[in-house]
This record gives sequence, structure tokens and C-alpha cells, in this order.
Amino acid sequence: EVQLVESGGGLVQPGGSLRLSCAASGLTFNNYWMHWVRQAPGKGLEWVANINQDGSEKYYVDSVKGRFTISRDNAKNSLYLQMDSLRAEDSAFYYCARAIGAATSIWGQGTLVTVSS
Amino acid sequence: QSVLTQPPSASGTPGQRVTISCSGSSSNIESNTVHWYQQLPGTAPKLLIYSNNQRPSGVPDRFSGSKSGTSASLAISGLHSEDEADYYCLTWDGSLNGLVFGGGTRLTVL
Repeated sequence: EVQLVESGGGLVQPGGSLRLSCAASGLTFNNYWMHWVRQAPGKGLEWVANINQDGSEKYYVDSVKGRFTISRDNAKNSLYLQMDSLRAEDSAFYYCARAIGAATSIWGQGTLVTVSS
Repeated sequence: QSVLTQPPSASGTPGQRVTISCSGSSSNIESNTVHWYQQLPGTAPKLLIYSNNQRPSGVPDRFSGSKSGTSASLAISGLHSEDEADYYCLTWDGSLNGLVFGGGTRLTVL
């Protein structure tokens, strides 16, 4: 089955850290840009970060620069998002996605991150 | 507040044609391709249109996209009840050096 499966979400206190993972199966992973997109409950979509095929290019939305780090391991068909210094406003469903602007776009089902004391 | 402006809501009756707009600027829509996503309640977003006007395999030809200058539009003809969803435009912004989504439009089929 072709799918992306996110994991690693949960409840964390403000200032804490979480590492999200996205496992790809049944699909080509290392030929594509990969992305993290988030959506606060009841709110719109927000692109968070992306990474190119070999990990040499990375881009971030301004609000997470210096706090979040995107990475990938092509040998493991996996994408990661290290999230540090978490804030309440980072609470959201986090989706990983392949090729966000192409016919080959595939999204996972999301993992929920809640930042609260 | 997104740099891409969409109307928060739109509506139509079954069989009608509706259009959803996405307004941007020279640093985003005018100089980059636009993509459109559909999100049904409780599900992950689904790509409807890529590269301004291309449909992925499996997307009905009732859905079409266009772009002119700093604006883009998604048109849905022959509206179905199952088209009731949230719709988002997406493009690259060269000034922000990142991808940006529009604020989203909730489509109601009356």
C-alpha cells in the first residue's frame, strides 16, 4: 500500500521538544522534495518546512526558524521534524507530504502535537 | 493573516458553477505556479489542481484552475453535494523564501 505515516506527536510542555517521524512505504521517496505542513484545530493549512532530495536544501516558515529542523534518511525512507523550544501556537496536526505541488503529491494522515502546561 | 487572500466562504446549489479566488502579489502568484487543495472534514488535504491548471489523475474535469497576473481561480462546475469542503490555494513566495497557503475557502452546497 502506498502511504506516508506520521508518528511522534503528543502532549509536551511549553519550551519542550518533540521529534516527528514520517515513514514512507510502497512509494518512491528519495526522488522527491518532502514537506511538513501543519493545521491548528479548526484553522487553515500552514506550510512549515521542506527538504530536497539529498537533504542539501531546506526551507522554513519564519515562525519556526531556529527552533525546528527538518531532515531525512533516504536509506530508511523516512522524514523527520525536530521541534525545540515549543510554544502553544505550535499546537496542530502535523502532516508530511511528498511533492506538494505535483501530480505525484501524497500526504500522510497527520499526527497531533499539543503544547500545554 | 496569509499573503494569499481567499474568500472565507462560498456557496452554490447542485449543478451550479462556483469560482473561488486567490489573490496574491508579484512575489508569489505572478511569478510562480499555483496549486489547489481540497480538504474534506476530518481528512488530509487532497491535490486538485497543480501548475495553475493541471489535474492529477482521478480528479474530475468539473474542477479547473486558471491564473492571471497576481490572481488565481478555482472553478467547480456541475456542483455536487460531495464537493462541500475547504479549498486552499498554494504557491511559492520569493520574498518569504517559502511556500504559502491561502487562508482557505469553505464551500457549502445548499
